[in-house]
Amino acid sequence: GNSVTQMEGPVTLSEEAFLTINCTYTATGYPSLFWYVQYPGEGLQLLLKATKADDKGSNKGFEATYRKETTSFHLEKGSVQVSDSAVYFCALTGGSYIPTFGRGTSLIVHP
Amino acid sequence: DGGITQSPKYLFRKEGQNVTLSCEQNLNHDAMYWYRQDPGQGLRLIYYSQIVNDFQKGDIAEGYSVSREKKESFPLTVTSAQKNPTAFYLCASSMELSWQSNQPQHFGDGTRLSIL
Repeated sequence: GNSVTQMEGPVTLSEEAFLTINCTYTATGYPSLFWYVQYPGEGLQLLLKATKADDKGSNKGFEATYRKETTSFHLEKGSVQVSDSAVYFCALTGGSYIPTFGRGTSLIVHP
Repeated sequence: DGGITQSPKYLFRKEGQNVTLSCEQNLNHDAMYWYRQDPGQGLRLIYYSQIVNDFQKGDIAEGYSVSREKKESFPLTVTSAQKNPTAFYLCASSMELSWQSNQPQHFGDGTRLSIL
């Protein structure tokens, strides 16, 4: 079956630091890949997506590239802000009727 | 604006009581889902529905029930058989539920259920 593995959190950074959150996956066929963000007490919001190999999804300064050769979709941001503090979920669809989510990675950004 | 509305935001359950969480969407999506989230944990799928009058059990369906009488609505009932119901419940929808879907899910803002 499909699976998504994310790095354990929390990830703690100072403001303006570089962010990487690792995500790797296993799936049959050609999945589509997503990053969602969850702020405290809220639901998940779609952050970015990529639907085929070598696609780069980007939004609000965050980027992730669909790497089929390494089955990865790592989330990056060049300069984080305190307002980026949240939980980030990597997910995939395709090769199953049900979307598959990672366990989430908590990001804490200090001023 | 289209979206998903969950109500209530906070809910309290007494011992032996059933409670129902509401989920309404105006996105014209066919597929709807219920997830449970415990503190510091990921999402666990309770039930999902591909079309009206059809739904399937997810990974943790015991102690829960759902209905899908209308495309827009997918209420979740937490029954007295669910012995540990305290959690954050999230409803989601997507355009379709297919083997090759590339559509994201849209989420509501959640309902926090606690035991009195």
